[in-house]
Amino acid sequence: DAGITQSPRHKVTETGTPVTLRCHQTENHRYMYWYRQDPGHGLRLIHYSYGVKDTDKGEVSDGYSVSRSKTEDFLLTLESATSSQTSVYFCAISDLRGGTGNTIYFGEGSWLTVV
Amino acid sequence: AQSVTQLGSHVSVSEGALVLLRCNYSSSVPPYLFWYVQYPNQGLQLLLKYTSAATLVKGINGFEAEFKKSETSFHLTKPSAHMSDAAEYFCAVSEDYGGATNKLIFGTGTLLAVQP
Repeated sequence: DAGITQSPRHKVTETGTPVTLRCHQTENHRYMYWYRQDPGHGLRLIHYSYGVKDTDKGEVSDGYSVSRSKTEDFLLTLESATSSQTSVYFCAISDLRGGTGNTIYFGEGSWLTVV
Repeated sequence: AQSVTQLGSHVSVSEGALVLLRCNYSSSVPPYLFWYVQYPNQGLQLLLKYTSAATLVKGINGFEAEFKKSETSFHLTKPSAHMSDAAEYFCAVSEDYGGATNKLIFGTGTLLAVQP
């Protein structure tokens, strides 16, 4: 258990509305990530963070923004949701401990439907 | 740029049969490779990872994978399938070769069905 909690787990929203997904971790990991999962695409990186207020874009960042004001929380915001953003969103952390290379652990996912 | 290709989006085996899920990578230097499993409506769970320490990597639930540089492959195997192995499996490569940022590039996944 990597101590990752995502909220909400399920959300239906209307096109054009803002949506924020929250990822909370309990183990003080420095690196946090947001991925989206779509059929036929696997998982694709949206944004990641390497510390408080330090974030960078991933492969599919258009239409998304992120914030990290505390080590434990990483927020993903859709400023104006579109139907193409209907997806399953996964938060992940990178565990740098262990001495055998970094390991990425995933949360349980947030199912977002934009109607 | 690194990438992984999973051959076969759907694989069906009989209970007790060998499981073989294929993954080929593209990388100019030794990669860091991972296999994850996803059960329905759940997150991804790490099965195993290759970090250049040994070419045969053993993971959880009886799975193992062999890194073959000459074939640029990292196929996942299990000698005897169980019904509980039915899930989707993802191969992934670390974009920065296991560096601190550890951004993963995923394949498109293989859905494994196990028939009784």
